[in-house]
Amino acid sequence: DGGITQSPKYLFRKEGQNVTLSCEQNLNHDAMYWYRQDPGQGLRLIYYSQIVNDFQKGDIAEGYSVSREKKESFPLTVTSAQKNPTAFYLCASSPRRTVLYMNTEAFFGQGTRLTVV
Amino acid sequence: AQSVSQHNHHVILSEAASLELGCNYSYGGTVNLFWYVQYPGQHLQLLLKYFSGDPLVKGIKGFEAEFIKSKFSFNLRKPSVQWSDTAEYFCAVNARAGGGNKLTFGTGTQLKVEL
Repeated sequence: DGGITQSPKYLFRKEGQNVTLSCEQNLNHDAMYWYRQDPGQGLRLIYYSQIVNDFQKGDIAEGYSVSREKKESFPLTVTSAQKNPTAFYLCASSPRRTVLYMNTEAFFGQGTRLTVV
Repeated sequence: AQSVSQHNHHVILSEAASLELGCNYSYGGTVNLFWYVQYPGQHLQLLLKYFSGDPLVKGIKGFEAEFIKSKFSFNLRKPSVQWSDTAEYFCAVNARAGGGNKLTFGTGTQLKVEL
């Protein structure tokens, strides 16, 4: 089935450790996104990528890093520099918006709940 | 910078009441607009979307939204809510940024429908 797979579903991390969240899509989408969801704050954009080997910071990139070595994969690393990492993380993808292809809809993974213990 | 504002953070309605949730965005160019819904314990689902054409769009479960370009608004409406509409609703804007597209969400509106 086509879609976005995030793993693991639940993740526990000790303070001071880096941890990597996986996001894989088989929709052949160019654009991929990482969001963080906290109660009362909606979805805040961490990083996004329009194309392989390119990505941009979102609104809350500090303490996070990403890579986009393959079209289908966009892993997110939560580093020890992230002061409040406990949250629900959502990955999304969409066809890349271009002059020829203007209308894009994002598809979401099921999320990873990260807890720092 | 692109931003999305949802003015109502918590809304409580009785069944059969009418619903209108506000959404305003700041971006001067061409946008795609979305409303997503997250039911308790479930994942984000697309409710409806506007790309072009008729500014009044209809979505699933009797929801509709109107795009008013002059007001930079995309308000969500439903004539008569049901208890099962209890959920969190997110407005989102997809706009051109950095040669591609950037999808930005509002802070969400928590809707509670009482019997």
